[in-house]
Amino acid sequence: AQSVTQLGSHVSVSEGALVLLRCNYSSSVPPYLFWYVQYPNQGLQLLLKYTSAATLVKGINGFEAEFKKSETSFHLTKPSAHMSDAAEYFCAVSDPNAGGTSYGKLTFGQGTILTVHP
Amino acid sequence: ETGVTQSPTHLIKTRGQQVTLRCSSQSGHNTVSWYQQALGQGPQFIFQYYREEENGRGNFPPRFSGLQFPNYSSELNVNALELDDSALYLCASQRGGLFEQFFGPGTRLTVL
Repeated sequence: AQSVTQLGSHVSVSEGALVLLRCNYSSSVPPYLFWYVQYPNQGLQLLLKYTSAATLVKGINGFEAEFKKSETSFHLTKPSAHMSDAAEYFCAVSDPNAGGTSYGKLTFGQGTILTVHP
Repeated sequence: ETGVTQSPTHLIKTRGQQVTLRCSSQSGHNTVSWYQQALGQGPQFIFQYYREEENGRGNFPPRFSGLQFPNYSSELNVNALELDDSALYLCASQRGGLFEQFFGPGTRLTVL
C-alpha cells in the first residue's frame, strides 16, 4: 500500500522568505507524485507533478519540487513567498503501474497549512 | 472549456437520511473520481467511474454508491447517513489515460 507523510501541519513564513513544505512517500514501486493547493472553500488545484521524467519539476506560481528516490521525498519549494501563497497544500501519490481498480487513485497526505506574514 | 462543477454547494441532512451529490465532468473527460475530505484531513478516495463502470473503490462501506451517465456526469449517493459522513465531497475528472485529475469546488455535507 502507498502512503504519504507531510511533516508539519502548519508552516509560517515571512513574505519574501523561502517556502519549504516537506513530503515523504512510501511505495513499493516508483510512484507518480503530485502537489495540490487548496484555498479556503475551494477544490484542489494541481501545482506540479512528477511522472518519472526529470527529477526537478517546475510548477505554477513559481513552485518547484525535487524527487529524491534515495530519501523517498518530494519536497515543495518556492524561493520567495507571496501573501497569495497562503493556503493548504497537499502531497499525493499514485501508482503508475496500477491498472484496473486503482487506476488514477490518489493517496493524499494530511496537508500543510502555509501562513505568510507581511 | 467548462471546468468541473458540483451541486449543491452546501447541504444539511439528519442522521439516517439519504443524499445525492452531483458532478459534471470537464469537457472531454470520461473518468470521474470521488473523494471525501473530513475537516482537517486530506481527501480520501471513495471510488472511480470510467465509461459508466466502477473502476476502483476505496475503503468505504456499500452505503456509498455512485453512477456515471453517458455524458460522463456522475452522482454520489450515500444512504443511512451517519454523523461521521459530515465532510467536503470532491469530484475530480480526467481524460482517460492521463493521470492529471481536475477537481471541482466540492459539496459541503453536514449531518446533524
